[in-house]
Amino acid sequence: SQQGEEDPQALSIQEGENATMNCSYKTSINNLQWYRQNSGRGLVHLILIRSNEREKHSGRLRVTLDTSKKSSSLLITASRAADTASYFCATDGIGSGNTGKLIFGQGTTLQVKP
Amino acid sequence: EPEVTQTPSHQVTQMGQEVILRCVPISNHLYFYWYRQILGQKVEFLVSFYNNEISEKSEIFDDQFSVERPDGSNFTLKIRSTKLEDSAMYFCASRADINTEAFFGQGTRLTVV
Repeated sequence: SQQGEEDPQALSIQEGENATMNCSYKTSINNLQWYRQNSGRGLVHLILIRSNEREKHSGRLRVTLDTSKKSSSLLITASRAADTASYFCATDGIGSGNTGKLIFGQGTTLQVKP
Repeated sequence: EPEVTQTPSHQVTQMGQEVILRCVPISNHLYFYWYRQILGQKVEFLVSFYNNEISEKSEIFDDQFSVERPDGSNFTLKIRSTKLEDSAMYFCASRADINTEAFFGQGTRLTVV
């Protein structure tokens, strides 16, 4: 079964620096999505990248997808203290049986120090 | 902006009791899901629901769990006889279709005592 694995598990940076988080998965995917979760709160959708896309931008976020390596990265530029959260990648599969369920990785906990 | 809403935000229940977690998906969405997240762990898929029936369920989703879409707006998860290990954050999600973004609610924190 497909599984998202993020690295690093934890990342601590200074405000203004860039943060890069990586996600790997095992099987072919339809889409890959990134989510943010503040401590004990809900999952906020950040960005969706389709399997035929290689890069996508949204504000300070840049997501890349390399389907040959089965990996994705999330870059947050010019980080702010408010970016402190856990970040998850989630994949969904392909094929006629695809129900759109998501498989989540373990997440990267990002701390941005003011 | 449309959002998925869940109630209650917190629920404390005695072991063995039944609980119903409620969700209102985004109105034009067709695919609905429940996920759970045990404290400190990753988000796990429970069940998907489309066209008024379960389309997929995980091993976690055993006979004590059920889902229902009783009307055109609500989507509920029932746990018939709660166990201590059911304590978790439960998330509802919806998608317009399987190729679009999945939006999640704020979650219901269930504590079984």
